[in-house]
Amino acid sequence: GQQVMQIPQYQHVQEGEDFTTYCNSSTTLSNIQWYKQRPGGHPVFLIQLVKSGEVKKQKRLTFQFGEAKKNSSLHITATQTTDVGTYFCAGSSIYNFNKFYFGSGTKLNVKP
Amino acid sequence: EAQVTQNPRYLITVTGKKLTVTCSQNMNHEYMSWYRQDPGLGLRQIYYSMNVEVTDKGDVPEGYKVSRKEKRNFPLILESPSPNQTSLYFCASSSMTTGTSPLHFGNGTRLTVT
Repeated sequence: GQQVMQIPQYQHVQEGEDFTTYCNSSTTLSNIQWYKQRPGGHPVFLIQLVKSGEVKKQKRLTFQFGEAKKNSSLHITATQTTDVGTYFCAGSSIYNFNKFYFGSGTKLNVKP
Repeated sequence: EAQVTQNPRYLITVTGKKLTVTCSQNMNHEYMSWYRQDPGLGLRQIYYSMNVEVTDKGDVPEGYKVSRKEKRNFPLILESPSPNQTSLYFCASSSMTTGTSPLHFGNGTRLTVT
């Protein structure tokens, strides 16, 4: 069945270092969304990518959607302590838009 | 304030005792869904609903039921809870039925089944 893998599972960085999390799907996705979950909180939507090869930026965050629409990445430049949390990718299949498949998440810890 | 409200936030119960987790949204969203979150597994979709009286199974529907009698409410029912259903549950809603809009999540319900 459909699977979305996300790596790494954990990442510890020093404040100011960069961070990247990668998401790979076993099948083609219609779109990919990224969410951030602060410790003890609920997932909060960050961005959605729809087009093949799309790149979007939000301040220090850069999101990419692969050409084959099977992979995506989130890159944070110069991390800050406010970036702490778990980052999830979520994709819906081209065969069923209503079923969302979440990656297992990358837990980011930033040391001041 | 636009929000998804889940109740209760915490629930401890015993095996076999039926329970319901409520979910309500005030954004007039057509799409609603339930997820469970377990360490290392991310969020897994239990059930989703595209509109009133329209529901379908997600990836892990076994042991759960849902209903969508009104647009705003989407309760999750565990008829006979078992310890492997101990988890953090999230309800979410979205404005479109095609799944291409952001999901708005509730604050979660932490369920423990002993």
